[in-house]
Amino acid sequence: DSGVTQTPKHLITATGQRVTLRCSPRSGDLSVYWYQQSLDQGLQFLIQYYNGEERAKGNILERFSAQQFPDLHSELNLSSLELGDSALYFCASSGGLAGGLETQYFGPGTRLLVL
Amino acid sequence: AQSVAQPEDQVNVAEGNPLTVKCTYSVSGNPYLFWYVQYPNRGLQFLLKYITGDNLVKGSYGFEAEFNKSQTSFHLKKPSALVSDSALYFCAVRAKTGGGNKLTFGTGTQLKVEL
Repeated sequence: DSGVTQTPKHLITATGQRVTLRCSPRSGDLSVYWYQQSLDQGLQFLIQYYNGEERAKGNILERFSAQQFPDLHSELNLSSLELGDSALYFCASSGGLAGGLETQYFGPGTRLLVL
Repeated sequence: AQSVAQPEDQVNVAEGNPLTVKCTYSVSGNPYLFWYVQYPNRGLQFLLKYITGDNLVKGSYGFEAEFNKSQTSFHLKKPSALVSDSALYFCAVRAKTGGGNKLTFGTGTQLKVEL
């Protein structure tokens, strides 16, 4: 158990809908990262937050957004969902920025299925 | 841009035999390299990382990896494979992006250890 929790575990929804995925980092970790894992794209970095502020952005669609709250938990919002958004979404956390030398610990993921 | 290549989609090995999962990387600057393992329906578990120092890095569950700068490789090894090692293995390289960090992953190698 990495100490990173994600809810829900599974999510089934319809095209055009909006969903929110939640992540709680390991105790004391300030950085939260979101990744998407799909069969055709593999594991792709979406976005990083550090202590409430956005720090790095990857291949995140404009329909997707995220935030990190004062208690350091993070939410990833996916809107106007399309079939191609079906994937496993991972959250990871690490202690801080530290030049990226810290290990990122991953949560169990949320499996999203868009029908 | 940073990239990671895992040339083998699948590696098969008999239990008790040594195993190697290959990874090559391309980065500008110092490479910070990681190995993760993913069991079915689970998140990614951290195995080991190379930041600096000894080229042979020891990690969890008896795994080790050898950093070779001239060959830009970071192969994962284990002297004696177990059936329970069967899983999907990912090599990753840290990339600085904007004011933060991300992991760039390879496509993964499925390890199958047979009796």
